[in-house]
Amino acid sequence: DIQMTQSPASLSASLEEIVTITCQASQDIGNWLSWYQQKPGKSPQLLIYGATSLADGVPSRFSGSRSGTQYSLKISRLQVEDIGIYYCLQAYSAPNTFGAGTKLELK
Amino acid sequence: VQLVESGGGLVQPGKSLKLSCSASGFTFSSYGMHWIRQAPGKGLDWVAYISSSSGTVYADAVKGRFTISRDNAKNTLYLQLNSLKSEDTAIYYCARSFRRVSLDYWGQGVMVTVSS
Repeated sequence: DIQMTQSPASLSASLEEIVTITCQASQDIGNWLSWYQQKPGKSPQLLIYGATSLADGVPSRFSGSRSGTQYSLKISRLQVEDIGIYYCLQAYSAPNTFGAGTKLELK
Repeated sequence: VQLVESGGGLVQPGKSLKLSCSASGFTFSSYGMHWIRQAPGKGLDWVAYISSSSGTVYADAVKGRFTISRDNAKNTLYLQLNSLKSEDTAIYYCARSFRRVSLDYWGQGVMVTVSS
């Protein structure tokens, strides 16, 4: 099975700060990577698909990038509404696997 | 697009349960669908996938115990949970597959508690 190593596990940042979360795949998964945001008590929401494409309705301060088997989610200017837990997901092969999550808090 | 799960509840270890996910607002038969679960206070855990042509794949932890299926005439996705264990306790979400690479719509989730 493909392992997705997500870091950091938690992150505290200030408003307007740049935030970066990464996922390292245990093998090549191409662009079969997506990112999700989950707020407390809510279902996850899609942010990025295909490693770099912004999902409909997602603010442009969110972006995704890829370097080999390392994938990054960047929030260019952190807003209050961005607080939550972020997950990556690989859909290259079954079983699909999520990263362990990154809890983003406000400093 | 709307996905609404139902069928959760409290069940004893070793027993069975069947979850449903009612879909509306899109052509259900044209999309693959997933089940994902989340144990209390834990991260997301992918469970199973069914393609538009009803091909299926499962996580190792549920293979042989859970069965994903669909009824396109009823616009409904199912998950049959057999031989339940305490570690199956979780919120179960259904989600729509988008371009096979992501999950673009999620239901609100349904709680399954396995306990004696």
